[in-house]
Amino acid sequence: GENVEQHPSTLSVQEGDSAVIKCTYSDSASNYFPWYKQELGKRPQLIIDIRSNVGEKKDQRIAVTLNKTAKHFSLHITETQPEDSAVYFCAARSFQTGANNLFFGTGTRLTVIP
Amino acid sequence: NAGVTQTPKFQVLKTGQSMTLQCAQDMNHEYMSWYRQDPGMGLRLIHYSVGAGITDQGEVPNGYNVSRSTTEDFPLRLLSAAPSQTSVYFCASSYSAGTNTGELFFGEGSRLTVL
Repeated sequence: GENVEQHPSTLSVQEGDSAVIKCTYSDSASNYFPWYKQELGKRPQLIIDIRSNVGEKKDQRIAVTLNKTAKHFSLHITETQPEDSAVYFCAARSFQTGANNLFFGTGTRLTVIP
Repeated sequence: NAGVTQTPKFQVLKTGQSMTLQCAQDMNHEYMSWYRQDPGMGLRLIHYSVGAGITDQGEVPNGYNVSRSTTEDFPLRLLSAAPSQTSVYFCASSYSAGTNTGELFFGEGSRLTVL
């Protein structure tokens, strides 16, 4: 099955700085890579995703890059704000399984210091 | 449109007891799944279903059963609770993998403690 590794496990940045979270995956058949944000005591919520036919995707202050050859993808948050503080999870899925089974990384706790 | 609804939100069990976590969605999603979330381990897939009458095992299925008699409901049963099943459980649903969007919608979670 798919194995997703995520680094770092914790990340502290000053407000206004950038944050980068990196993930690697093992299954070359994986072709969909979402990122979820989970605030304390809340459910995970999708913030951005990328498919394997795209190398980069941006949505305002967040962007995701994908390197299929190296099997890694990254989340970039610019101009961080205190409300960005949360746990972020990367995930990978292969459409070929016929099911929307996501395999998650172990999470990164981001703290934005005002 | 309530999305994905889970009950109960909190539950305390004794070792050996059984219980059912309920999950319902009103978005007409074909795919439903159960994840457990443990500190430092992310979310791990327990069981999933691609449609009514079809279920399959995920990464960590032992000790759990599921059924999918309708499109809307996907209950998770703990057969004989063990302390290792203390966790936060999330139900999730989406359209099938064959459609354009793969967004997985999560319920609010159910925190289970087994003593």
